[in-house]
Amino acid sequence: EIVLTQSPATLSLSPGQRATLSCRASQSVSSFLAWYQHKPGQAPRLLIYGASNRATGIPARFSGSGSGTDFTLTISSLEPEDSAVYYCQQRSNWPYIFTFGPGTKVDIK
Amino acid sequence: QVQLVQSGAEVKKPGTAVELSCTASGFRFTSYYYHWVRQAPGQGLEWMGIINPSGGATTYAQTFQGRVTMTRDTSTSTVYMQLSSLTFDDTALYYCARAALEWDPTAGYWGQGTLVTVSS
Repeated sequence: EIVLTQSPATLSLSPGQRATLSCRASQSVSSFLAWYQHKPGQAPRLLIYGASNRATGIPARFSGSGSGTDFTLTISSLEPEDSAVYYCQQRSNWPYIFTFGPGTKVDIK
Repeated sequence: QVQLVQSGAEVKKPGTAVELSCTASGFRFTSYYYHWVRQAPGQGLEWMGIINPSGGATTYAQTFQGRVTMTRDTSTSTVYMQLSSLTFDDTALYYCARAALEWDPTAGYWGQGTLVTVSS
């Protein structure tokens, strides 16, 4: 079973700053890596799929990179509404098995 | 527009089963994979399984093997998730989600969530 680790656990930054979130897989997941934003009381929101593809309607300040075992979500200039927990998720080829990382909480000061 | 409407909150006793539904509209039901994901209080997201509505093939997370069953009814564009042998640890908000794209199974559209409370 592939295990995802995310770092840091918490990130506290100011509006306008750059946020860099890391996700590491215990073995290669190729580019089958997604990022989600999850706010309290809301459903998760897909930000990035295929490691670097922005989902529909996602602002350009969100970008994803990486392949294999090391991935990064970058928020280039934080907005107050970016305060949330961010999860990475990997999948296998069929039969599809997905797993989430433990999440990174982003606080906007 | 894409809509996923989940069934209402449930309160169940330990040892029993719960079945949740998720009805899709606004698109061709059989063209996308569907997921079930849950979040227990104070915990992160936990992927439970996936179903291909075109044929009904499923894959479940190892954690839930033997306890979860996902089905679909193409006539009503509805997917179902049954979880049996409930314990207090199954208290959670359960989401269904649809793949973002026809050619990528990654979940992109989500239902509103269904709260399941397991209580004696």
